[in-house]
Amino acid sequence: QKEVEQDPGPLSVPEGAIVSLNCTYSNSAFQYFMWYRQYSRKGPELLMYTYSSGNKEDGRFTAQVDKSSKYISLFIRDSQPSDSATYLCAMSGRAAGNKLTFGGGTRVLVKP
Amino acid sequence: GAVVSQHPSWVICKSGTSVKIECRSLDFQATTMFWYRQFPKQSLMLMATSNEGSKATYEQGVEKDKFLINHASLTLSTLTVTSAHPEDSSFYICSPTSQNEQFFGPGTRLTVL
Repeated sequence: QKEVEQDPGPLSVPEGAIVSLNCTYSNSAFQYFMWYRQYSRKGPELLMYTYSSGNKEDGRFTAQVDKSSKYISLFIRDSQPSDSATYLCAMSGRAAGNKLTFGGGTRVLVKP
Repeated sequence: GAVVSQHPSWVICKSGTSVKIECRSLDFQATTMFWYRQFPKQSLMLMATSNEGSKATYEQGVEKDKFLINHASLTLSTLTVTSAHPEDSSFYICSPTSQNEQFFGPGTRLTVL
């Protein structure tokens, strides 16, 4: 069993819809949680960074962490075609500076 | 945001040759450098971790004699794939870390014929 599970998709939504992404993990030592966006043949770009259970909002993005269930989510409101990318969850046992364990990534396609 | 460059962005080489990939942090000093590998439609897999001036620590299953990492300065790290084979074809991404912030390079696509 992988430490971090993420549905590979693809997830296809119409423009303006809410995109819902999630990851589950098995290692209770993970305390820091990140979401990255990766366009084809590019490096990952950090979207959200959280370290406590609950919600964190940044513009159209909302990250949720439920440590009791070992479940994290990312919601993208008012999705745009430019949001079409692969979204990777990542987590670590300490703050940045420690190695990250990535989920497999979910490919998202927002159709105009 | 921090600027990270990788060179080359894309390289094709013959089997048996060696390829060097450079990673530079252009506007910050990276105390720690992570090197990841990503196969098509798969996630990033950590290969090794290096601190400036120290030997790299390799993840299980990664051959240290095949993937040579040099982190000679706080702004430059190199990954050399020695005697490359077609199964080494992948997307290699560096990730320099500074002051508890981790950044990613744009990646280098290696194709070994």
